[in-house]
Amino acid sequence: EIVLTQSPATLSLSPGERATLSCRASQSVSSNYLAWYQVKPGQAPRLLIYDASNRAPGIPDRFSGSGSGTDFTLTISSLEPEDFAVYYCQQRANWPLTFGPGTKVDIK
Amino acid sequence: EVQLVESGGGVVRPGGSLRLSCAASGFTFDDYGMSWVRQAPGKGLEWVSGINWNGGRTGYVDSVKGRFTISRDNAKNSLYLQMNSLRAEDTALYHCVRDPGSYDGGYGMDVWGQGTTVTVSS
Repeated sequence: EIVLTQSPATLSLSPGERATLSCRASQSVSSNYLAWYQVKPGQAPRLLIYDASNRAPGIPDRFSGSGSGTDFTLTISSLEPEDFAVYYCQQRANWPLTFGPGTKVDIK
Repeated sequence: EVQLVESGGGVVRPGGSLRLSCAASGFTFDDYGMSWVRQAPGKGLEWVSGINWNGGRTGYVDSVKGRFTISRDNAKNSLYLQMNSLRAEDTALYHCVRDPGSYDGGYGMDVWGQGTTVTVSS
């Protein structure tokens, strides 16, 4: 099983600032099959990024993903008020699919 | 409109059983793999089980192997999760998820239902 760790656990920022979220895998994620999701209270999760760096349909271009192998990054270039949420990475290379523990982006 | 609607959750005693159902609409159901993902109160997301487009491949997280069974009926555009020998730690909101690439890898969980709540308590 591939174990994912995310850092930091909480990121306190102001609107307009840049957010950089990290996801590290316990072993290489083949074909960089790594996805990112946004979760807001009372809402279903939303797919943001797939295959490490591809934005899902309808996702604003302020969201970007990068990385390969075991180290991946989600960047939000300029935080909008609606971006304050919890973000999870997920490896999709092998069953069982696994999620990281999440990074909460909250308002400073 | 692409939609997934779960049902079948409830309160059950430890050791009991429940069957979750998910009704899909707005897309060609048998073109897609599907999964169940849960979120326990105050906790993160956990993939529970997945199934490929024709039901020929299934997978489970270790903690539910031998207790849960995923299945699908493409003629009815429906996904199921049979949950037996339920434990307190199975208490969670269970989401039905469209999951292209669930078995083959890649892409992501692109459509989520609102979820159905399972509470295991004596």
